Amino acid sequence: EAGVAQSPRYKIIEKRQSVAFWCNPISGHATLYWYQQILGQGPKLLIQFQNNGVVDDSQLPKDRFSAERLKGVDSTLKIQPAKLEDSAVYLCASSLLRPSGRPKNIQYFGAGTRLSVL
Amino acid sequence: DQQVKQNSPSLSVQEGRISILNCDYTNSMFDYFLWYKKYPAEGPTFLISISSIKDKNEDGRFTVFLNKSAKHLSLHIVPSQPGDSAVYFCAAFTISSGSARQLTFGSGTQLTVLP
Repeated sequence: EAGVAQSPRYKIIEKRQSVAFWCNPISGHATLYWYQQILGQGPKLLIQFQNNGVVDDSQLPKDRFSAERLKGVDSTLKIQPAKLEDSAVYLCASSLLRPSGRPKNIQYFGAGTRLSVL
Repeated sequence: DQQVKQNSPSLSVQEGRISILNCDYTNSMFDYFLWYKKYPAEGPTFLISISSIKDKNEDGRFTVFLNKSAKHLSLHIVPSQPGDSAVYFCAAFTISSGSARQLTFGSGTQLTVLP
């Protein structure tokens, strides 16, 4: 079974530029998450989708970050404009849904995109 | 405000001995806990989990213990192997939050198993 795919693996940009990350979850996983992991810290949730709807985006800095999952499969996370403090690894994760409609407890992570903002 | 804390940034253990990784949490609403392992340049990989209705869960060499009154959990690895060298993250969430599944992570512990 293929895992969560993310691209690119690395990105270097200058501040005020824009950048986009792509994620393809495990086939059949209806729930998709984007996390930000700053060096020395644990991952922090930015946004959770269930199919193509947003479940939780309370920690997404909406003035510069946006995310979409138009067809309920792959997803794009965008930063525009980027700041120095956005330098981090951006992780995508996915999970199955229970018959009840709630996500299963285990999330499966991709390898992440390492962003450096200069 | 760190709701999940891993106070030991690093731990070194001799091969064959027991590794004990600790995690403390402050949010009493957390009722499901997971441990993830992360190798360099890879994403976190699920290792083992425990629900708050249990106090122990075992899977091969890995055992997780939960002490709800102390808001403390620990991961035991016995025996430790060099391949276990990785960063271990403790994570938690609240099942009763409905479909929201925000995992709150600790800052991780780097385990090094010495041959």
